[in-house]
Amino acid sequence: GAVVSQHPSWVICKSGTSVKIECRSLDFQATTMFWYRQFPKQSLMLMATSNEGSKATYEQGVEKDKFLINHASLTLSTLTVTSAHPEDSSFYICSASGGTGLADTQYFGPGTRLTVL
Amino acid sequence: ELKVEQNPLFLSMQEGKNYTIYCNYSTTSDRLYWYRQDPGKSLESLFVLLSNGAVKQEGRLMASLDTKARLSTLHITAAVHDLSATYFCAVDPPGGSRLTFGEGTQLTVNP
Repeated sequence: GAVVSQHPSWVICKSGTSVKIECRSLDFQATTMFWYRQFPKQSLMLMATSNEGSKATYEQGVEKDKFLINHASLTLSTLTVTSAHPEDSSFYICSASGGTGLADTQYFGPGTRLTVL
Repeated sequence: ELKVEQNPLFLSMQEGKNYTIYCNYSTTSDRLYWYRQDPGKSLESLFVLLSNGAVKQEGRLMASLDTKARLSTLHITAAVHDLSATYFCAVDPPGGSRLTFGEGTQLTVNP
């Protein structure tokens, strides 16, 4: 149980375009979803926290207009990178909590590798 | 602000040897997690430590937590090549589920 999927697994896009990444909790209802970014050889940095039906809370330094997060249902959150640039190239990982097992335990998705040319 | 520091950041060891990775954190915490990450992959949960003195073991890995010292250790026993990966600790502050990660320890086990 407690499986989180992400789609796509990897994406390559041109600079200036927008990219949407989906995060789904497959077998539980996720009241909270988290989006992380990881640059090569670095740790995970929390970008934002989203609760179903409410606006996301962004970490300091993360541009909310550039990284649009929508948590429309208890099983789906989306991250849209708008007007992507090469510096946005990174590994994006989502996690979800609120399901089975320990309360508030985060279950991580497999990640999406974004490359902006 | 909660800070989490791991030591060492890079570790190269021979198969069969033992070693310990340390994770220090700066404020009180409800929970401490250990994760494994293989290159190009996401995180795999290894352990969740909930209370002072907690010890958990899985195979060649054993994790412990000392909340008074704000220290967790991940001990590797008789390392094998398959353990090569990056290991992260992460801390959950009181009252919240907003994880703060350590820098990661890149472990290489050489034959």
